[in-house]
Amino acid sequence: QQPVQSPQAVILREGEDAVINCSSSKALYSVHWYRQKHGEAPVFLMILLKGGEQKGHDKISASFNEKKQQSSLYLTASQLSYSGTYFCGTEGGAQKLVFGQGTRLTINP
Amino acid sequence: DAGVIQSPRHEVTEMGQEVTLRCKPISGHNSLFWYRQTMMRGLELLIYFNNNVPIDDSGMPEDRFSAKMPNASFSTLKIQPSEPRDSAVYFCASRRQMNTEAFFGQGTRLTVV
Repeated sequence: QQPVQSPQAVILREGEDAVINCSSSKALYSVHWYRQKHGEAPVFLMILLKGGEQKGHDKISASFNEKKQQSSLYLTASQLSYSGTYFCGTEGGAQKLVFGQGTRLTINP
Repeated sequence: DAGVIQSPRHEVTEMGQEVTLRCKPISGHNSLFWYRQTMMRGLELLIYFNNNVPIDDSGMPEDRFSAKMPNASFSTLKIQPSEPRDSAVYFCASRRQMNTEAFFGQGTRLTVV
């Protein structure tokens, strides 16, 4: 069963912050985050494992609440290069990796 | 490493024809996934393999779709007969093991007319 992402689309000005949410109806072992530019393949950003550890690099970070089966991706002081579609992927067992419908992020100058 | 390699990159075919998409995973990766991407459904998991064995094909839409992985370095996704609603981008992805990064191929854009 696919995780649910919200919002479906976000439009920001450069320098603004954004939060993308991901929730699952199943117990999770891990949550993945990927970004896809138009016409390209999804590219890995980070993975969060059971334990609620928050990860991040540069100005993109994420959290994972395993009790609520939810994850959030935080983009701080957004840059033009952050534009794209963000996908969360969830693993609930049997090594099955399923993705949400995506959140389209547009950053304007 | 060359990454995950998919072929062809683009395929245009007529309704009713057989279509075969190919994927070469990264060497040493034990899991392989096939996804279909559309605007409506996002990235939809069709089937995945562990150590060349199909584990879950519940995402395969119909009997017209079939997938094989005869060895660790090659997989195919076949659609027979193809229909216009099969038009989408099909991605193959591989990874070393559970809870690790998945690497995607560049995808095959399929158009069925």
